[in-house]
Amino acid sequence: NAGVTQTPKFRILKIGQSMTLQCTQDMNHNYMYWYRQDPGMGLKLIYYSVGAGITDKGEVPNGYNVSRSTTEDFPLRLELAAPSQTSVYFCASRTGPQIYEQYFGPGTRLTVT
Amino acid sequence: AQSVTQLDSQVPVFEEAPVELRCNYSSSVSVYLFWYVQYPNQGLQLLLKYLSGSTLVESINGFEAEFNKSQTSFHLRKPSVHISDTAEYFCAVIFQGAQKLVFGQGTRLTINP
Repeated sequence: NAGVTQTPKFRILKIGQSMTLQCTQDMNHNYMYWYRQDPGMGLKLIYYSVGAGITDKGEVPNGYNVSRSTTEDFPLRLELAAPSQTSVYFCASRTGPQIYEQYFGPGTRLTVT
Repeated sequence: AQSVTQLDSQVPVFEEAPVELRCNYSSSVSVYLFWYVQYPNQGLQLLLKYLSGSTLVESINGFEAEFNKSQTSFHLRKPSVHISDTAEYFCAVIFQGAQKLVFGQGTRLTINP
């Protein structure tokens, strides 16, 4: 099992550009999450999904979009990138409602200039 | 309001000294509690968890945490730290009825030789 994989590892965007952060898990987990990590702020939830075709907003969804067409994939879309979206992005997954352990990907470091 | 607070942003200790990383939460419902560790330039890994049962939980590398319901705390301790314990540690909580982890701000543990 590769677990949770994220691509790319690093990216530099110009203001106003768009991009998609990819997240894939091979553990057949129903629940998937996107977080951003900023220094001294912990992790903030952007979006999450409890199954294919179902997504919901977290604490900080503005400026982002997600889709979940398959169990394995949960891409995060940034439209019109802004400097405030400079952060490290983590994807995570877990099995289901009664299994609480989350598995994290290695992260994507994004800089918007 | 439901929240998680890690009282110390940084904790420097000498090698082989004991350490305690503090975590408090605010909630009117039952909780599930977690400590995650993030080594430099890596994703988060689950260190230990409390779901139910014994209030003292242990990890395989010598850390332990105790759930104290009356003080709404879940402090992390290790009796003797090693250089390899240098990392950032995050306390996280799932509040009953929710499907999302709420993270504390993180504590950076630095071990000095």
